[in-house]
Amino acid sequence: DVKVTQSSRYLVKRTGEKVFLECVQDMDHENMFWYRQDPGLGLRLIYFSYDVKMKEKGDIPEGYSVSREKKERFSLILESASTNQTSMYLCALGRGGGNQPQHFGDGTRLSIL
Amino acid sequence: SQKIEQNSEALNIQEGKTATLTCNYTNYSPAYLQWYRQDPGRGPVFLLLIRENEKEKRKERLKVTFDTTLKQSLFHITASQPADSATYLCALGKGGGNKLTFGTGTQLKVEL
Repeated sequence: DVKVTQSSRYLVKRTGEKVFLECVQDMDHENMFWYRQDPGLGLRLIYFSYDVKMKEKGDIPEGYSVSREKKERFSLILESASTNQTSMYLCALGRGGGNQPQHFGDGTRLSIL
Repeated sequence: SQKIEQNSEALNIQEGKTATLTCNYTNYSPAYLQWYRQDPGRGPVFLLLIRENEKEKRKERLKVTFDTTLKQSLFHITASQPADSATYLCALGKGGGNKLTFGTGTQLKVEL
């Protein structure tokens, strides 16, 4: 089974803090993704990566950055957290090439106070 | 802009009946379409993938159809069970990369 581990299930931070969300895989998949999920808006892609040290913007990258120094780890960074970044954050991974399913972690519910 | 529509209202059906969920899209030419199941507090789980040149795909009690002329996919669960209660998401992808665009999902409730 594919295992996608997100560092925290619940996280509470304060406005202006720099926040790190970690995602680790054990399957040697090339592609990794960060989404946020909000009621009524569904899953929205923030950033993704097809390889080590490679990153591409998704649909809503503003206020976020990412890091992929090793193949198995993909980090999402909130540079200066704001209340509108309160959300469920989901990491996913998939094999290279098209037509591939994505495997998700169970998410981090992040609250910014 | 691209738009993917799934019924926002929950679908309630009786155990044993067939559940049919709809995914419509506009301004998009997907190479493939995927369906996922999501339980409360959990990440989505992949169920089925259907390519643009395929009309229908089956897996056990699940069936997916894909009509690129109507720009619509239907997802069927036959002989539904209370354990099938969840939110179901459709997602569209283009060839080459693995980037997906998700719908907002439809909540299915199967009652005894």
